[in-house]
Amino acid sequence: DAGVTQSPTHLIKTRGQHVTLRCSPISGHKSVSWYQQVLGQGPQFIFQYYEKEERGRGNFPDRFSARQFPNYSSELNVNALLLGDSALYLCASSLDYRTDTQYFGPGTRLTVL
Amino acid sequence: AQRVTQPEKLLSVFKGAPVELKCNYSYSGSPELFWYVQYSRQRLQLLLRHISRESIKGFTADLNKGETSFHLKKPFAQEEDSAMYYCALRDNAGNMLTFGGGTRLMVKP
Repeated sequence: DAGVTQSPTHLIKTRGQHVTLRCSPISGHKSVSWYQQVLGQGPQFIFQYYEKEERGRGNFPDRFSARQFPNYSSELNVNALLLGDSALYLCASSLDYRTDTQYFGPGTRLTVL
Repeated sequence: AQRVTQPEKLLSVFKGAPVELKCNYSYSGSPELFWYVQYSRQRLQLLLRHISRESIKGFTADLNKGETSFHLKKPFAQEEDSAMYYCALRDNAGNMLTFGGGTRLMVKP
């Protein structure tokens, strides 16, 4: 198993554009969480999905949205990009959404110019 | 609101010296605490969790509810321990992790 995979690895966008980031969880994992990691800071929780339903949402504006597909993969969408959205976006998967260990992917580096 | 604080951005020690990475938290209930580690060019990975009460790679961490701390310790640092260390808290409601700002550990030869 390759672990959690994310695509793309790197992405450059300009202000006002839209971006979609993708995540494939470890096989058998039904929960996916998204985190934003700004340079020099720890990861900050954005969303958690379990069985295709949103189970948690962090303190992020409505420009951020996500969804989970029947195969448990997930997309994170960000609209109207701002310079401050430049960060490493991490995806983590776990068996369930309450008690299991979260396993992180390598992240997608988003740069907004 | 829950919060995790790692007061040191950088900790530099010599090989063989003891290491203590500090972590303090604020949370009104009974949290679950974790230490995650990120080695150079690798993904974030779990090092240990307080409910397991185990030692991983020689590291241990004890949850002190009175002092609201979960410091990570190792008696003799190795060069391969050089990495970024993050303390994280999970609340009772779900699986959301709240991370501290991280401490970079540098172990010098």
